[in-house]
Amino acid sequence: DAKTTQPDSMESTEGETVHLPCSHATISGNEYIYWYRQVPLQGPEYVTHGLQQNTTNSMAFLAIASDRKSSTLILPHVSLRDAAVYHCILRVQQGTGSKLSFGKGAKLTVSP
Amino acid sequence: AQTIHQWPVAEIKAVGSPLSLGCTIKGKSSPNLYWYWQATGGTLQQLFYSITVGQVESVVQLNLSASRPKDDQFILSTEKLLLSHSGFYLCAWSLDWGGGEQYFGPGTRLTVL
Repeated sequence: DAKTTQPDSMESTEGETVHLPCSHATISGNEYIYWYRQVPLQGPEYVTHGLQQNTTNSMAFLAIASDRKSSTLILPHVSLRDAAVYHCILRVQQGTGSKLSFGKGAKLTVSP
Repeated sequence: AQTIHQWPVAEIKAVGSPLSLGCTIKGKSSPNLYWYWQATGGTLQQLFYSITVGQVESVVQLNLSASRPKDDQFILSTEKLLLSHSGFYLCAWSLDWGGGEQYFGPGTRLTVL
């Protein structure tokens, strides 16, 4: 799976809209972009994923650049519960294993 | 609704002692199951995956083994623990064949002394 680059950390305040960037310049045409988040001493939580089109769900909006070399996870009106390490992961929808390769991710801090 | 349960919640074990960690998925038949490990301050690594009962594939060699005795159960074990086995062990499941949407359990914190 191709490599992603995220900032080490980002800071925000409750109520703000947060934009978490992810760069994946060498993404392949069949690789999906997945986002997970993890708080200490808990398992990762699936947030969203996409291939080419922007996607939205109850948790976040995923904006994917037209050339697919970057994406942005947009968290509207963040709360303290959104503080976590956010992982941007690329993976091919292949048949076996569903291997997810987690990196260090981006630590989001949310202040009251 | 699907639930994933891991046991024990935490364990303190001596080097050289055996280990058995368990994971149970309820509310979903024939899930794909996974074991992950995270050293303190480290990144998550997938250790094993299982597509069906009795079939387990190893992804990373850490002197651990895994088994799937039942459709809803995944076991991680070793006969001799090493200091390097300390960390956070997570079980996860996915429904779709090859899907990247995985759901993680609460984890087991293991300390090897």
